[in-house]
Amino acid sequence: EAQVTQNPRYLITVTGKKLTVTCSQNMNHEYMSWYRQDPGLGLRQIYYSMNVEVTDKGDVPEGYKVSRKEKRNFPLILESPSPNQTSLYFCASSFGTPGNEQFFGPGTRLTVL
Amino acid sequence: AQKVTQAQTEISVVEKEDVTLDCVYETRDTTYYLFWYKQPPSGELVFLIRRNSFDEQNEISGRYSWNFQKSTSSFNFTITASQVVDSAVYFCALSVLDFGNEKLTFGTGTRLTIIP
Repeated sequence: EAQVTQNPRYLITVTGKKLTVTCSQNMNHEYMSWYRQDPGLGLRQIYYSMNVEVTDKGDVPEGYKVSRKEKRNFPLILESPSPNQTSLYFCASSFGTPGNEQFFGPGTRLTVL
Repeated sequence: AQKVTQAQTEISVVEKEDVTLDCVYETRDTTYYLFWYKQPPSGELVFLIRRNSFDEQNEISGRYSWNFQKSTSSFNFTITASQVVDSAVYFCALSVLDFGNEKLTFGTGTRLTIIP
């Protein structure tokens, strides 16, 4: 089954404790990205990757890191989480040509205390 | 810079009524793509439709229809004879090429509640 998976789905952590949210897709998509969803703000792009070893900042990259060592994986790293990073996070993937639909993962609800 | 405006934060209608969700976009690019996504209460994001900037033909899919008007920079979504299952948050999105990279911008969403 074609899908984007994220883990964990739910996470409660404390300020400053490094964490990684994994994202994996099995559709051989070139393009992958991370979004955060906050009430009243919609979805905002954090980082995106056009292909392996190619990443770039989205609209709200501060406090986040990403890597793209393999085509299928695109982990999101919070080196020192803060309460303002409490949010619902979505990973998405698509084929690399512009205008393709994004396939979204199920979301990760993160709470930073 | 690109911008997508969904001015309707929340809409409630009684079942079987028609409802239109508005989407207004801003871009200086002549080539772009517009999308609608649905987020039901279960939380996943579901693709509904894509339209490119050169195709102003309206689209109908069952009870759903989309009206794309470049003259007003709008890409509105109409649900005819609404049903309770249509209750969701709906997002409009705009895709452009930004220095060779695809840039996707979402609106803030419209929460639609269908009252039985």
